[in-house]
Amino acid sequence: AQSVTQLDSQVPVFEEAPVELRCNYSSSVSVYLFWYVQYPNQGLQLLLKYLSGSTLVKGINGFEAEFNKSQTSFHLRKPSVHISDTAEYFCAVILAGGTSYGKLTFGQGTILTVHP
Amino acid sequence: DAGVIQSPRHEVTEMGQEVTLRCKPISGHDYLFWYRQTMMRGLELLIYFNNNVPIDDSGMPEDRFSAKMPNASFSTLKIQPSEPRDSAVYFCASSSPGLAGGPFTGELFFGEGSRLTVL
Repeated sequence: AQSVTQLDSQVPVFEEAPVELRCNYSSSVSVYLFWYVQYPNQGLQLLLKYLSGSTLVKGINGFEAEFNKSQTSFHLRKPSVHISDTAEYFCAVILAGGTSYGKLTFGQGTILTVHP
Repeated sequence: DAGVIQSPRHEVTEMGQEVTLRCKPISGHDYLFWYRQTMMRGLELLIYFNNNVPIDDSGMPEDRFSAKMPNASFSTLKIQPSEPRDSAVYFCASSSPGLAGGPFTGELFFGEGSRLTVL
C-alpha cells in the first residue's frame, strides 16, 4: 500500500521569503501525486498535481512542485510567499492507472504560517 | 457552477442522539467520498461511492456509522447513536474521471465541511 509522509508539521516563514514544504511517498508502483491546500474553515482545494510527463509541475497561486522518483519526493515550493498563503497544506498520493479505485492517501498536513 | 454542498455547516448535539450529514455532489461527478478530519488522526477516508454504489467502506469506524447515496445528487452520512469521540469535521468530496471510462486521477472537489460537536 502507498503512504505519504510530510516531514514538517509546521513551517513559519516571513512574508516574501521562499518556502519549501516537504513530502515523501512510499509505493512499489507508479503513483499520481497531489498537493491540496486548506484555508481556515474551508474544505481542501487542489493546488497542483503530477500524473505524468514533466517532473516540474506548476499550480495555482505561484506554487510549484517537483517529482523526484529516485528520492520518492514531491516537495512544494514558492519563491516568495504572501500573508494569504497561510493555510494547511496536504500532500496526497494515489496509485496510477486507476487501480486503486479512488483511494487517495493524504499526509498529516503542514501548517504554513506567513508572518509580516 | 455550484461546488459540493454540505449541510449542516455546524451541528452540536448530545451523546446518544442521531446525526445526519448531507451532501450534494457536483453535477456529473460519479465518485463521492466522505472524509473525517480530526487533530489527532488527520484526514480519514470513511467511505466512497461510484455511480451511487458503495465501493469501499473499510474506513467506517463502527456500526454506528452508515452512509447512503440514493441518487446521483444526494448522499447522507448518519451516526446513531453519536458519541463525544465522533466530534470532528466531516467532509464530502466528489470527482469525475474526466474522460468517460478513464481512470480515476485523484482530483477531488471538497465541500466546506460539517463541524460536528457531540457533548
